[in-house]
Amino acid sequence: AQSVAQPEDQVNVAEGNPLTVKCTYSVSGNPYLFWYVQYPNRGLQFLLKYITGDNLVKGSYGFEAEFNKSQTSFHLKKPSALVSDSALYFCAVRDPMEYGNKLVFGAGTILRVKS
Amino acid sequence: DADVTQTPRNRITKTGKRIMLECSQTKGHDRMYWYRQDPGLGLRLIYYSFDVKDINKGEISDGYSVSRQAQAKFSLSLESAIPNQTALYFCATSDPLGGGYTFGSGTRLTVV
Repeated sequence: AQSVAQPEDQVNVAEGNPLTVKCTYSVSGNPYLFWYVQYPNRGLQFLLKYITGDNLVKGSYGFEAEFNKSQTSFHLKKPSALVSDSALYFCAVRDPMEYGNKLVFGAGTILRVKS
Repeated sequence: DADVTQTPRNRITKTGKRIMLECSQTKGHDRMYWYRQDPGLGLRLIYYSFDVKDINKGEISDGYSVSRQAQAKFSLSLESAIPNQTALYFCATSDPLGGGYTFGSGTRLTVV
Protein backbone atom coordinates (compact mmCIF):
# COMPACT_ATOMS: atom_id res chain seq x y z
CA ALA A 1 0.00 0.00 0.00
CA GLN A 2 1.15 3.51 -0.68
CA SER A 3 2.16 5.98 2.00
CA VAL A 4 3.38 9.54 2.31
CA ALA A 5 5.65 11.16 4.87
CA GLN A 6 5.93 14.87 5.52
CA PRO A 7 8.77 14.97 8.04
CA GLU A 8 8.24 18.56 9.20
CA ASP A 9 5.17 19.57 11.17
CA GLN A 10 5.99 23.22 10.56
CA VAL A 11 8.31 25.24 8.33
CA ASN A 12 9.16 28.84 9.12
CA VAL A 13 10.65 31.18 6.52
CA ALA A 14 11.12 34.89 6.12
CA GLU A 15 9.27 36.68 3.37
CA GLY A 16 11.37 36.84 0.23
CA ASN A 17 13.43 33.78 1.10
CA PRO A 18 13.12 30.48 -0.76
CA LEU A 19 10.96 27.81 0.81
CA THR A 20 10.93 24.03 0.68
CA VAL A 21 8.29 21.71 2.08
CA LYS A 22 9.46 18.10 2.10
CA CYS A 23 7.60 14.99 1.03
CA THR A 24 8.68 11.39 0.59
CA TYR A 25 6.49 8.58 -0.62
CA SER A 26 6.25 4.84 -0.88
CA VAL A 27 4.36 3.12 -3.68
CA SER A 28 4.83 -0.16 -5.48
CA GLY A 29 4.60 1.18 -9.00
CA ASN A 30 5.09 4.52 -10.67
CA PRO A 31 3.48 7.17 -8.52
CA TYR A 32 1.09 9.96 -9.28
CA LEU A 33 2.03 12.77 -6.88
CA PHE A 34 0.12 15.84 -5.79
CA TRP A 35 0.38 18.91 -3.61
CA TYR A 36 -2.63 20.61 -2.06
CA VAL A 37 -2.90 23.73 0.07
CA GLN A 38 -5.46 24.49 2.76
CA TYR A 39 -6.04 28.02 3.99
CA PRO A 40 -7.79 28.54 7.35
CA ASN A 41 -11.45 27.54 7.27
CA ARG A 42 -11.22 26.56 3.64
CA GLY A 43 -11.20 23.39 1.61
CA LEU A 44 -8.18 21.92 -0.14
CA GLN A 45 -6.93 23.60 -3.26
CA PHE A 46 -4.89 21.81 -5.91
CA LEU A 47 -1.39 23.21 -6.44
CA LEU A 48 0.36 20.84 -8.82
CA LYS A 49 0.81 17.23 -9.84
CA TYR A 50 3.36 14.87 -11.31
CA ILE A 51 2.10 12.08 -13.54
CA THR A 52 4.92 11.53 -16.01
CA GLY A 53 7.46 13.49 -18.01
CA ASP A 54 9.64 16.34 -16.79
CA ASN A 55 10.71 15.85 -13.18
CA LEU A 56 10.21 19.54 -12.41
CA VAL A 57 6.57 20.51 -12.41
CA LYS A 58 5.22 24.00 -12.05
CA GLY A 59 1.93 24.84 -10.44
CA SER A 60 -0.23 27.58 -9.09
CA TYR A 61 0.94 30.69 -7.22
CA GLY A 62 4.57 30.27 -8.30
CA PHE A 63 5.06 26.89 -6.63
CA GLU A 64 7.02 24.06 -8.18
CA ALA A 65 8.00 20.55 -7.15
CA GLU A 66 10.71 18.17 -8.20
CA PHE A 67 10.10 14.47 -8.58
CA ASN A 68 13.14 12.42 -7.55
CA LYS A 69 12.58 8.75 -8.16
CA SER A 70 15.82 7.53 -6.59
CA GLN A 71 15.10 9.39 -3.37
CA THR A 72 11.33 8.79 -3.60
CA SER A 73 10.77 12.46 -2.91
CA PHE A 74 8.52 15.19 -4.22
CA HIS A 75 9.51 18.38 -2.40
CA LEU A 76 7.49 21.55 -2.87
CA LYS A 77 9.48 24.72 -3.53
CA LYS A 78 9.06 28.40 -4.17
CA PRO A 79 11.91 30.82 -4.95
CA SER A 80 10.52 33.72 -2.92
CA ALA A 81 7.99 33.23 -0.15
CA LEU A 82 5.06 35.54 0.49
CA VAL A 83 3.24 36.08 3.77
CA SER A 84 0.09 35.00 1.94
CA ASP A 85 1.68 31.56 1.34
CA SER A 86 1.16 30.79 5.03
CA ALA A 87 -1.13 27.77 5.10
CA LEU A 88 -1.28 24.01 5.63
CA TYR A 89 0.26 21.97 2.81
CA PHE A 90 -0.50 18.36 2.00
CA CYS A 91 1.43 15.97 -0.18
CA ALA A 92 -0.53 13.04 -1.63
CA VAL A 93 0.26 9.95 -3.66
CA ARG A 94 -1.78 7.65 -5.81
CA ASP A 95 -0.82 4.26 -7.16
CA PRO A 96 -2.36 4.10 -10.64
CA MET A 97 -2.20 0.31 -10.60
CA GLU A 98 -4.32 0.03 -7.49
CA TYR A 99 -8.08 -0.17 -7.68
CA GLY A 100 -9.91 2.87 -6.47
CA ASN A 101 -8.00 5.90 -7.71
CA LYS A 102 -7.42 6.62 -4.04
CA LEU A 103 -5.24 9.45 -2.85
CA VAL A 104 -3.21 8.83 0.28
CA PHE A 105 -2.26 12.01 2.11
CA GLY A 106 0.59 12.97 4.34
CA ALA A 107 -0.07 14.49 7.76
CA GLY A 108 0.46 17.99 6.47
CA THR A 109 3.04 20.73 7.02
CA ILE A 110 2.20 24.16 8.35
CA LEU A 111 4.07 26.88 6.49
CA ARG A 112 4.55 30.18 8.29
CA VAL A 113 6.02 33.06 6.35
CA LYS A 114 7.02 36.05 8.47
CA SER A 115 7.42 39.58 7.20
CA ASP B 1 -21.86 27.52 -7.97
CA ALA B 2 -19.05 25.45 -6.53
CA ASP B 3 -18.04 22.26 -8.34
CA VAL B 4 -18.45 20.26 -5.12
CA THR B 5 -20.97 21.42 -2.53
CA GLN B 6 -21.16 20.10 1.00
CA THR B 7 -23.94 20.69 3.48
CA PRO B 8 -24.03 21.62 6.26
CA ARG B 9 -20.85 23.68 6.69
CA ASN B 10 -20.92 23.31 10.44
CA ARG B 11 -22.85 20.99 12.71
CA ILE B 12 -22.94 20.32 16.41
CA THR B 13 -24.70 17.14 17.46
CA LYS B 14 -25.09 15.04 20.55
CA THR B 15 -23.62 11.64 21.24
CA GLY B 16 -25.89 8.89 19.94
CA LYS B 17 -27.67 11.00 17.35
CA ARG B 18 -27.86 10.05 13.70
CA ILE B 19 -26.48 12.63 11.32
CA MET B 20 -26.12 12.86 7.56
CA LEU B 21 -23.60 14.93 5.65
CA GLU B 22 -24.47 15.64 2.05
CA CYS B 23 -22.34 16.18 -1.02
CA SER B 24 -23.21 17.06 -4.58
CA GLN B 25 -20.98 17.73 -7.57
CA THR B 26 -21.37 19.32 -10.97
CA LYS B 27 -18.15 17.97 -12.50
CA GLY B 28 -19.92 15.02 -14.10
CA HIS B 29 -17.41 12.61 -12.60
CA ASP B 30 -18.30 9.09 -11.55
CA ARG B 31 -15.80 8.86 -8.72
CA MET B 32 -16.62 10.35 -5.35
CA TYR B 33 -14.89 10.14 -1.97
CA TRP B 34 -15.40 10.97 1.69
CA TYR B 35 -12.39 11.86 3.85
CA ARG B 36 -12.01 13.08 7.40
CA GLN B 37 -9.28 15.45 8.53
CA ASP B 38 -7.81 15.38 12.02
CA PRO B 39 -4.92 17.54 13.20
CA GLY B 40 -1.62 15.78 12.72
CA LEU B 41 -3.19 12.90 10.82
CA GLY B 42 -3.90 14.47 7.47
CA LEU B 43 -6.86 13.20 5.51
CA ARG B 44 -8.04 9.62 5.84
CA LEU B 45 -10.39 7.88 3.45
CA ILE B 46 -13.75 6.77 4.82
CA TYR B 47 -15.64 5.53 1.73
CA TYR B 48 -15.48 5.88 -2.01
CA SER B 49 -17.81 5.16 -4.89
CA PHE B 50 -17.45 4.73 -8.62
CA ASP B 51 -21.17 4.71 -9.38
CA VAL B 52 -24.50 4.19 -7.64
CA LYS B 53 -23.90 0.44 -7.44
CA ASP B 54 -20.24 0.56 -6.50
CA ILE B 55 -19.51 1.48 -2.88
CA ASN B 56 -16.18 0.69 -1.25
CA LYS B 57 -14.81 1.01 2.27
CA GLY B 58 -11.78 3.10 2.92
CA GLU B 59 -9.31 2.79 5.77
CA ILE B 60 -11.59 4.11 8.51
CA SER B 61 -15.15 3.10 7.59
CA ASP B 62 -16.24 1.77 11.00
CA GLY B 63 -19.10 3.85 12.42
CA TYR B 64 -19.96 5.36 9.04
CA SER B 65 -22.21 4.48 6.13
CA VAL B 66 -22.76 6.07 2.75
CA SER B 67 -25.39 6.35 0.07
CA ARG B 68 -24.83 7.17 -3.60
CA GLN B 69 -28.22 8.47 -4.63
CA ALA B 70 -27.16 9.53 -8.11
CA GLN B 71 -23.99 10.21 -10.05
CA ALA B 72 -23.89 13.67 -8.56
CA LYS B 73 -24.83 12.91 -4.94
CA PHE B 74 -22.92 11.03 -2.24
CA SER B 75 -24.02 11.19 1.39
CA LEU B 76 -22.17 10.18 4.53
CA SER B 77 -24.05 9.05 7.63
CA LEU B 78 -23.05 8.58 11.22
CA GLU B 79 -25.65 6.18 12.60
CA SER B 80 -24.84 6.89 16.22
CA ALA B 81 -22.38 9.74 16.59
CA ILE B 82 -19.59 9.57 19.15
CA PRO B 83 -17.20 12.31 20.30
CA ASN B 84 -14.16 10.88 18.50
CA GLN B 85 -15.99 11.45 15.23
CA THR B 86 -15.50 15.15 15.80
CA ALA B 87 -13.52 16.21 12.73
CA LEU B 88 -13.53 18.11 9.48
CA TYR B 89 -15.14 16.05 6.72
CA PHE B 90 -14.40 16.48 3.05
CA CYS B 91 -16.15 15.19 -0.02
CA ALA B 92 -14.20 14.99 -3.28
CA THR B 93 -14.61 13.91 -6.85
CA SER B 94 -12.03 12.87 -9.43
CA ASP B 95 -11.77 12.07 -13.08
CA PRO B 96 -10.48 8.64 -14.16
CA LEU B 97 -7.59 9.98 -16.23
CA GLY B 98 -5.07 10.58 -13.48
CA GLY B 99 -6.05 14.00 -12.37
CA GLY B 100 -6.30 15.02 -8.78
CA TYR B 101 -9.37 15.56 -6.71
CA THR B 102 -11.75 18.48 -6.53
CA PHE B 103 -12.74 19.02 -2.92
CA GLY B 104 -15.75 20.54 -1.30
CA SER B 105 -15.35 23.23 1.34
CA GLY B 106 -15.77 20.75 4.15
CA THR B 107 -18.18 20.10 7.00
CA ARG B 108 -16.97 20.77 10.51
CA LEU B 109 -18.72 18.27 12.76
CA THR B 110 -18.63 18.43 16.54
CA VAL B 111 -20.08 15.61 18.61
CA VAL B 112 -20.72 16.57 22.22
